[in-house]
Amino acid sequence: EAQVTQNPRYLITVTGKKLTVTCSQNMNHEYMSWYRQDPGLGLRQIYYSMNVEVTDKGDVPEGYKVSRKEKRNFPLILESPSPNQTSLYFCASSTLSGTVSGNTIYFGEGSWLTVV
Amino acid sequence: GNSVTQMEGPVTLSEEAFLTINCTYTATGYPSLFWYVQYPGEGLQLLLKATKADDKGSNKGFEATYRKETTSFHLEKGSVQVSDSAVYFCALLWGTYKYIFGTGTRLKVLA
Repeated sequence: EAQVTQNPRYLITVTGKKLTVTCSQNMNHEYMSWYRQDPGLGLRQIYYSMNVEVTDKGDVPEGYKVSRKEKRNFPLILESPSPNQTSLYFCASSTLSGTVSGNTIYFGEGSWLTVV
Repeated sequence: GNSVTQMEGPVTLSEEAFLTINCTYTATGYPSLFWYVQYPGEGLQLLLKATKADDKGSNKGFEATYRKETTSFHLEKGSVQVSDSAVYFCALLWGTYKYIFGTGTRLKVLA
């Protein structure tokens, strides 16, 4: 079954304590991305990756890091979390073959992060 | 810049009522347009899409037509069910995998 798996699904942490949200996909997709979802703001892209070792900033990258050492994994790193990073985070992936508009983007189930 | 505007919710309907969720966009060029659905506790799933003007996307009884003249992609369903209760996101795709999402519209269908 095609899946994008995120962990943890729920996390409460304290300001300044480094954390990593993992994301793994089993579809051999080249493209992976992280979004955050906030009330009234919809989904905003944090970072994306077009392939292994190729990453780029999205619309709201401040306070986040990513890495893409393997094709299947795309972890999101919060080096020093702050309360304004409390949000629902989604990882997504897609193939880059064929036409861009023809490819479906698959989303993980989301990770609820609370920073106190 | 590119943007998507969709109607604010929540939208509350009785079962079998007609549904319209408005979505308009601003974009340079010719973006592809999408509707995604998010059921409680789950990630977003593609509901339907349209890649060029006058295309109609359809799935599970939902429809949306890409109207370039009005820059709109309104979501419609003739008869909603309780199981359609979810949050619906309009989105556009332009360039190389650059998605712009609307703020989402929560739909609640009452039995």
